[in-house]
Amino acid sequence: AQSVSQHNHHVILSEAASLELGCNYSYGGTVNLFWYVQYPGQHLQLLLKYFSGDPLVKGIKGFEAEFIKSKFSFNLRKPSVQWSDTAEYFCAVKDQAGTALIFGKGTTLSVSS
Amino acid sequence: DSGVTQTPKHLITATGQRVTLRCSPRSGDLSVYWYQQSLDQGLQFLIHYYNGEERAKGNILERFSAQQFPDLHSELNLSSLELGDSALYFCASSVAGAYNEQFFGPGTRLTVL
Repeated sequence: AQSVSQHNHHVILSEAASLELGCNYSYGGTVNLFWYVQYPGQHLQLLLKYFSGDPLVKGIKGFEAEFIKSKFSFNLRKPSVQWSDTAEYFCAVKDQAGTALIFGKGTTLSVSS
Repeated sequence: DSGVTQTPKHLITATGQRVTLRCSPRSGDLSVYWYQQSLDQGLQFLIHYYNGEERAKGNILERFSAQQFPDLHSELNLSSLELGDSALYFCASSVAGAYNEQFFGPGTRLTVL
């Protein structure tokens, strides 16, 4: 079965620090990859997605992710985090049927001002 | 606001009881997905409906069932509730097709005492 693993459970950064959250998926075929963010008390929102083409994907709020097929990875990056980036971040892959999202366990990011 | 609405926001009930969670998708979206988020299992796909028909099932217990009505709203029915069913239940919707973003609702927090 497909799976997604997120390496970091909780990341604590100071404002202006750079961020990289790891994500690895298990499926070796064509993949559709996503990063979602959940701000405290809010619903899941899509940060960015990769379906095909340029492996460097730019999303909202200055986030980007790089798809590296050989490493089965889709890491999320941001050059300079802000206090408002404090949230839980989920990496997800579409299942082989192209229906459901398979999520990682999530990474909680805490940014101190 | 994603445009997906869920009611109620919170639900507290006792073991053995039955509850119904409701989801209204974004205007024009034909697909509805249900996910369960718990501390130990993370975010897991439960079931997918498309235009009134069940299309895919994930890790959904036999005690749980869902349906999508002609007006496209969906209900998730949870019966014979157990303590372990306490979780956040999210509904998501998308337009037709496998390559479209899923928009998530705010969730219903179910507490089983």
